[in-house]
Amino acid sequence: EVQLVQSGAEVKKPGESLKISCKGSGYSFTSYWIGWVRQMPGKGLEWMGIIYPGDSDTRYSPSFQGQVTISADKSISTAYLQWSSLKASDTAMYYCVRHSGSSWQYNWFDPWGQGTLVTVSS
Amino acid sequence: QSVLTQPPSVSGAPGQRVTISCTGSSSNIGAGYDVHWYQQLPGTAPKLLIYGNSNRPSGVPDRFSGSKSGTSASLAITGLQAEDEADYYCQSYDSSLSGPFWVFGGGTKLTVL
Repeated sequence: EVQLVQSGAEVKKPGESLKISCKGSGYSFTSYWIGWVRQMPGKGLEWMGIIYPGDSDTRYSPSFQGQVTISADKSISTAYLQWSSLKASDTAMYYCVRHSGSSWQYNWFDPWGQGTLVTVSS
Repeated sequence: QSVLTQPPSVSGAPGQRVTISCTGSSSNIGAGYDVHWYQQLPGTAPKLLIYGNSNRPSGVPDRFSGSKSGTSASLAITGLQAEDEADYYCQSYDSSLSGPFWVFGGGTKLTVL
């Protein structure tokens, strides 16, 4: 079974750093782009960026460029999303997704990780 | 403001048919890029419902169908059931920025009356 399993919920203070993870299994982790999607409380879905674990090629949505860092460790089939200095506005559910499809223009997201809830509060 | 526009809510009685629209522009749906749909049940992660405009993944009932025309797409649900009550999102690719760049609709909440 193709699966993405994310790390657990986090509660942090503003200014703190954080790195959350997403472990893939059931498929060749280095052969598919992995993306991250944000869902703020009561809001819709926003695509943040992607990484190709095979060579760590990374791209970001303009909205998130410079705000987060996406990385991967192919030796343990795990992708990461990290913040160097959290803000209250980073409070959200974060999902990792596997990009599927023949080319970027036709990509869909399947499967989704179960989500990691990040709460930033003083 | 989402790049793809969906109605905030739709509703229907059990057994009825409902449709959810997803309107884009010439830089996404109108450019020929595929539209995909996701179902998010309360308190859970989104799940792929329709890919490539009209294809159902294994396990998705044939009560769900998708279509695309011009700069819009639609999700139709027939024989509405209580378990269909969820948020539905459309997604496509957008070439208006120095990409790659994937976009979602704002989501539609389906209420089964």
